[in-house]
Amino acid sequence: SQTIHQWPATLVQPVGSPLSLECTVEGTSNPNLYWYRQAAGRGLQLLFYSVGIGQISSEVPQNLSASRPQDRQFILSSKKLLLSDSGFYLCAWSVNGEGFFGQGTRLTVV
Amino acid sequence: AQSVTQPDIHITVSEGASLELRCNYSYGATPYLFWYVQSPGQGLQLLLKYFSGDTLVQGIKGFEAEFKRSQSSFNLRKPSVHWSDAAEYFCAVGAGYGGATNKLIFGTGTLLAVQP
Repeated sequence: SQTIHQWPATLVQPVGSPLSLECTVEGTSNPNLYWYRQAAGRGLQLLFYSVGIGQISSEVPQNLSASRPQDRQFILSSKKLLLSDSGFYLCAWSVNGEGFFGQGTRLTVV
Repeated sequence: AQSVTQPDIHITVSEGASLELRCNYSYGATPYLFWYVQSPGQGLQLLLKYFSGDTLVQGIKGFEAEFKRSQSSFNLRKPSVHWSDAAEYFCAVGAGYGGATNKLIFGTGTLLAVQP
């Protein structure tokens, strides 16, 4: 069966520091992959999606970037974190329109 | 543009009472609709989905939802709520299905509290 792994679960980083969140999917090939951010009272905002290796689409302008170096690996990065980057980040993959989510990363920028 | 509205930010019900969470969507074609549940600090779990066919869909944990095209709604219901149902619930519409993206557009969520 397919599984999705996301780490770390929690992260506290100072303003201006770099960020790397990793997500891997097992049990499927060539999945569509997504990064969402969840802020209180704002639901889930789609940040990036990828339909294949090296193919990244950005949904909103922001301080973050994404990369897909391997078929089942999706990385969310930043060179310099801002306070406003704090939030709950969720990785997901989809098949037939249905999304499957990781357990999320709680990022606090201090 | 596609959008999802969940007008109730916070709902409190008594255990054993019935529940209805509202969801309205805006989408130019036949929508693919989903309800997800999120426990605190966790990822999202799919409760149910509507792609086509019968407009009343059954999901896990005793939940059901009804697709009403005329009202652009996909409300979630449960006849008798259990304390373990306390969580945040998200409605979503699938955008771009059939193309390359299968993006999900989410509402802002409804936080459900259950009183004993």
